[in-house]
Amino acid sequence: ETGVTQSPTHLIKTRGQQVTLRCSSQSGHNTVSWYQQALGQGPQFIFQYYREEENGRGNFPPRFSGLQFPNYSSELNVNALELDDSALYLCASSPAPGSLNNEQFFGPGTRLTVL
Amino acid sequence: SQQGEEDPQALSIQEGENATMNCSYKTSINNLQWYRQNSGRGLVHLILIRSNEREKHSGRLRVTLDTSKKSSSLLITASRAADTASYFCATDAKDYKLSFGAGTTVTVRA
Repeated sequence: ETGVTQSPTHLIKTRGQQVTLRCSSQSGHNTVSWYQQALGQGPQFIFQYYREEENGRGNFPPRFSGLQFPNYSSELNVNALELDDSALYLCASSPAPGSLNNEQFFGPGTRLTVL
Repeated sequence: SQQGEEDPQALSIQEGENATMNCSYKTSINNLQWYRQNSGRGLVHLILIRSNEREKHSGRLRVTLDTSKKSSSLLITASRAADTASYFCATDAKDYKLSFGAGTTVTVRA
């Protein structure tokens, strides 16, 4: 069984640029959630994708967008990067949204630095 | 804003001692989960307790839940150096997202 993988591991961008982060879900999981974790804070929910459609969104502006592909892998896109976007971005997969346990399996994260 | 708040923010204990951390939350929940994070990497799921459960054990972990007080505690018994990490509680309010607290940083001294 393959776990959740994310790429790249680290990324440095400058203000105003755009970035795409990638996530491959665990085998058998059709739901992917994205979280942003600022230094010293807990993860904050960005959005969730289920069967290629957005299935809920946290308090993030529209310049944060995503995609899910037929193989359930996912992308997080952030446009017009700001300094405050510097964070660890975590992807988590689960068997289905709102399942009884809703245990989510996290990838190792992508560390984004915006200069 | 964060749903859960962990207490204390940081904890330093000797190897072999027990570590206890608490989590308080604000709204009704479906279940509460505890996760561990090593050195700013991905989160590892530790244990889940449902809203109709009061206590749960998994190896050296013991979790309690008091829904009337909207609080939970995580006890790690006989701590080891490998338990050094940040611990987060996450609540699931029957919707699609987990709401995390700011975490407790645990340091286990050899």
